[in-house]
Amino acid sequence: DAGVTQSPTHLIKTRGQQVTLRCSPKSGHDTVSWYQQALGQGPQFIFQYYEEEERQRGNFPDRFSGHQFPNYSSELNVNALLLGDSALYLCASSLASSGHGYTFGSGTRLTVV
Amino acid sequence: AQSVTQPDIHITVSEGASLELRCNYSYGATPYLFWYVQSPGQGLQLLLKYFSGDTLVQGIKGFEAEFKRSQSSFNLRKPSVHWSDAAEYFCAVGDNYGQNFVFGPGTRLSVLP
Repeated sequence: DAGVTQSPTHLIKTRGQQVTLRCSPKSGHDTVSWYQQALGQGPQFIFQYYEEEERQRGNFPDRFSGHQFPNYSSELNVNALLLGDSALYLCASSLASSGHGYTFGSGTRLTVV
Repeated sequence: AQSVTQPDIHITVSEGASLELRCNYSYGATPYLFWYVQSPGQGLQLLLKYFSGDTLVQGIKGFEAEFKRSQSSFNLRKPSVHWSDAAEYFCAVGDNYGQNFVFGPGTRLSVLP
């Protein structure tokens, strides 16, 4: 039973570029949440997708957008990259309304230069 | 708004010693509480969770946590620490719909041989 899979594992981008990160949820899960974890900090909630719609959003600018596909996988897009976007991006999946906590992927390490 | 505090940024213990990591939360309803562990460069692994019932919950790797509603706390404990327990530990709170999931800033645990 595969857990949460994220790709790529590492990525280097230049300021102003755009990036797409991908996530496949754990089998049986239908909800995907994205978190940004800056170095030395706790994860910060970006948004959550359920039934292909953004269900909840944290305090992140519109440069951060996402998508969920019919197979429950998800993408996180970041436009006009800033140096401050350098972080570990974590994807977490869960089963809607279960409240049983999230299963996290290993993350994508994004470095903006 | 919900919040989580972890008063200790960094704790160092000797191998074989007991451990307690503190977590306090602020939440308007009945909280769902979680502890996650993160090894360097890795995603988060769920150690244990509390939903209801017995206030002392057992988790993986010999960890346990006690929910104290009167103190708004959910402290993590282990009777005897192993060198492999060195990692970052995050307390989190959410609701029963799998939303409003908030992490604390984390406590870094170092283990001396």
